[in-house]
Amino acid sequence: IAGITQAPTSQILAAGRRMTLRCTQDMRHNAMYWYRQDLGLGLRLIHYSNTAGTTGKGEVPDGYSVSRANTDDFPLTLASAVPSQTSVYFCASRPDRAPNYGYTFGSGTRLTVV
Amino acid sequence: AQKVTQAQTEISVVEKEDVTLDCVYETRDTTYYLFWYKQPPSGELVFLIRRNSFDEQNEISGRYSWNFQKSTSSFNFTITASQVVDSAVYFCALNGNTPLVFGKGTRLSVIA
Repeated sequence: IAGITQAPTSQILAAGRRMTLRCTQDMRHNAMYWYRQDLGLGLRLIHYSNTAGTTGKGEVPDGYSVSRANTDDFPLTLASAVPSQTSVYFCASRPDRAPNYGYTFGSGTRLTVV
Repeated sequence: AQKVTQAQTEISVVEKEDVTLDCVYETRDTTYYLFWYKQPPSGELVFLIRRNSFDEQNEISGRYSWNFQKSTSSFNFTITASQVVDSAVYFCALNGNTPLVFGKGTRLSVIA
């Protein structure tokens, strides 16, 4: 089934540890995104990639890094996790960055940093 | 900068009542798209509608209807004859020349 796969589904992580959230899509979409969702704040953009080999910063990029080595994968790395990074993380993609394209969202990763 | 405001944080209604969720947006882009998403308790994001900035026709889909008014920068969502299954968090979002920007969401509780 075409779509986005996020892994893990949930994770409890000790503060200070490194963690990579995985996101893979099989739709050959050029543009990919990482959002975090926090209660009362909605979804906020962390990083994005308009095409393989390029990345950009969103609204809340601090403490996170991304890479886009190929079209399908867009991993999000927390180099040294802190409790404020406890959140639900959604990966999304769409065919192109042009506004007329709709988004496909993954099912999310629930991360708890203790 | 683009911004989406959902002033209603939480709404509670009794089943079968009509309810309107408000959404006001800000953008300088001339071409943009507006979205509504539903997030049920299970947590996934369910796409409801996308409307482009050149199409101000209201849309109805079953019990759902959307009112897009460019003059007031609003894209409101009405659920007619609400049901318990409509209980969810609803997000309005805007996409112009930057990635999708979400409002903070409105939590709707429909009480039987």
